[in-house]
Amino acid sequence: SQQGEEDPQALSIQEGENATMNCSYKTSINNLQWYRQNSGRGLVHLILIRSNEREKHSGRLRVTLDTSKKSSSLLITASRAADTASYFCATRVNDYKLSFGAGTTVTVRA
Amino acid sequence: GAVVSQHPSWVICKSGTSVKIECRSLDFQATTMFWYRQFPKQSLMLMATSNEGSKATYEQGVEKDKFLINHASLTLSTLTVTSAHPEDSSFYICSAMGLTNNEQFFGPGTRLTVL
Repeated sequence: SQQGEEDPQALSIQEGENATMNCSYKTSINNLQWYRQNSGRGLVHLILIRSNEREKHSGRLRVTLDTSKKSSSLLITASRAADTASYFCATRVNDYKLSFGAGTTVTVRA
Repeated sequence: GAVVSQHPSWVICKSGTSVKIECRSLDFQATTMFWYRQFPKQSLMLMATSNEGSKATYEQGVEKDKFLINHASLTLSTLTVTSAHPEDSSFYICSAMGLTNNEQFFGPGTRLTVL
């Protein structure tokens, strides 16, 4: 079952601007992961943050996790046209299954 | 990084026919593979978990007789959509989990269109 909710559903920004999207979940988690999906393609793993971590960086990506609020955010800084894609959060609970959020579609305008 | 392939990448079939989709882990062994379904502009929904050498575990609401899963080796899982109908048209994505860690690696997906 799906437990992640993401907002906004869609985001349109100018190249160079930052993009922020949020993910909320319902149950306790072991970790939370963010994925990117280009149109009609498979998923690319971006970053994983564990339940005992609060913030993580990878290149232009910054992820935060607030377990008290059961929420996470993904920030893409200095966006590029190539960042145009759908972004999904996914949570792993007690077993190895991933539960995906609804996704945020990001469009970066040149 | 670990690579997972799917074949075919797209398929168009007539209603009533069966379609087989392969998922292969190319450079690692995977005891567990997952099959997801994604409708346009929607998220991935887990259909089933496939374990090598044993029966697949299906999620609630997924018909096991319609979506046959076989995980015959540590590098190959197949999903067969039996007697496909237009409502089965979707994007099917597999993922594979390596032996040494719990990270899932995703395939590029298979677009199924049933006419």
